[in-house]
Amino acid sequence: QLQLQESGPGLVKPSETLSLTCTVSRGSISSSSYYWGWVRQPPGKGLEWIGSIYYTGSTYYNPSLKSRVTMSVDTSKNQFSLKLSSVTAADTAVYYCTRITREWLSPNYWGQGTLVTVSS
Amino acid sequence: EIVLTQSPGTLSLSPGERATLSCRASQSVSSTYLAWYQQKPGQAPRLLIYGASSRATGIPDRFSGSVSGTDFTLTISRLEPEDFAMYYCHQYGSSQGTFGQGTKVEVK
Repeated sequence: QLQLQESGPGLVKPSETLSLTCTVSRGSISSSSYYWGWVRQPPGKGLEWIGSIYYTGSTYYNPSLKSRVTMSVDTSKNQFSLKLSSVTAADTAVYYCTRITREWLSPNYWGQGTLVTVSS
Repeated sequence: EIVLTQSPGTLSLSPGERATLSCRASQSVSSTYLAWYQQKPGQAPRLLIYGASSRATGIPDRFSGSVSGTDFTLTISRLEPEDFAMYYCHQYGSSQGTFGQGTKVEVK
């Protein structure tokens, strides 16, 4: 069964860049059937769609975050990544990586999530 | 941006009762790209329904989804103890996704 695992620093200072990587196991990131995405959830709050990426590198971002978000894919490592620049305390959240079916455009696999805290 | 408004915010019911959760879109949403998720504390969301009415793999048939215009509904026919959780709707359109704010189904 597909596995997604987020990794990266759990603590980021304000104004710096948050960087996370999602490693895909038991599946290929180069499959034409899927997009790969990021969703976040501030503590005690709802889900927010951050964006998605195709294995070719095509990206789709949440307009409210677009100026600060960069996603990339490394097919050789079966990984995709998220960078969020100029972070503030409002970016403190659990960040989930997801697999999204092209047919339904709904995340159907989720990583366990990783908490990133923005604090000095 | 398409805004999804879920109602009610909280649903207080007893096991065995029927739960009806609503998700209203601010503009037209393709049913193909409307999904429902269940989330329990400390866990990642789990896909329940995709394409507005298709159950995901392993989801019991007490969960069903329907649509009428821009109104989407998740129905749990008879609540089991494990169904008390948060529920979110999600849509994808115009190259971006959005989630509703969630409905909490709690034990009455």
